[in-house]
Amino acid sequence: DTGVSQDPRHKITKRGQNVTFRCDPISEHNRLYWYRQTLGQGPEFLTYFQNEAQLEKSRLLSDRFSAERPKGSFSTLEIQRTEQGDSAMYLCASSFLGEQYFGPGTRLTVT
Amino acid sequence: GIQVEQSPPDLILQEGANSTLRCNFSDSVNNLQWFHQNPWGQLINLFYIPSGTKQNGRLSATTVATERYSLLYISSSQTTDSGVYFCAGAGGTSYGKLTFGQGTILTVHP
Repeated sequence: DTGVSQDPRHKITKRGQNVTFRCDPISEHNRLYWYRQTLGQGPEFLTYFQNEAQLEKSRLLSDRFSAERPKGSFSTLEIQRTEQGDSAMYLCASSFLGEQYFGPGTRLTVT
Repeated sequence: GIQVEQSPPDLILQEGANSTLRCNFSDSVNNLQWFHQNPWGQLINLFYIPSGTKQNGRLSATTVATERYSLLYISSSQTTDSGVYFCAGAGGTSYGKLTFGQGTILTVHP
């Protein structure tokens, strides 16, 4: 079991550009979560998939954000027209039952 | 959703000391986890402990679900224990989404 992986680990982009992050969960995990963490804060929930169905989205997820999990395996999180306030660590987690396991995160910097 | 409060926010120890971190929840949870966040931002799973007591080496945790709190004990602390400790919980109708506390920043001096 290789754990949850995320790509890229770091992304620097200019304001207004689109970015896409990828998360590969632990194999056989049917639940996948995205969280966002800003400096000095705990992670905050963004969205949740069970298999390929997106079952819940936080109000933090504006219409510039979209997430997918085709075929219930890997997931992508896209941010369109990035803003400086989007700068954060984006964390992905997966689970089969209760315990969630987190990936290393993608650190986004919007300049 | 549930609210999670961690205490203390900061803790400074000398190597070898023991410590207790606390997590209070505003409502009942059916998932409760403790994490250690390393300097690179990776969340390391310490305990999955919706109720009861567990031990792993120098670390142990206790959750009293009926009173809505959990405790993380660190004994004989080492400098490598330094970092941020988070607790997080999920309520019954939340699809398992975790609500995190603000964290406890632990610094262990040699």
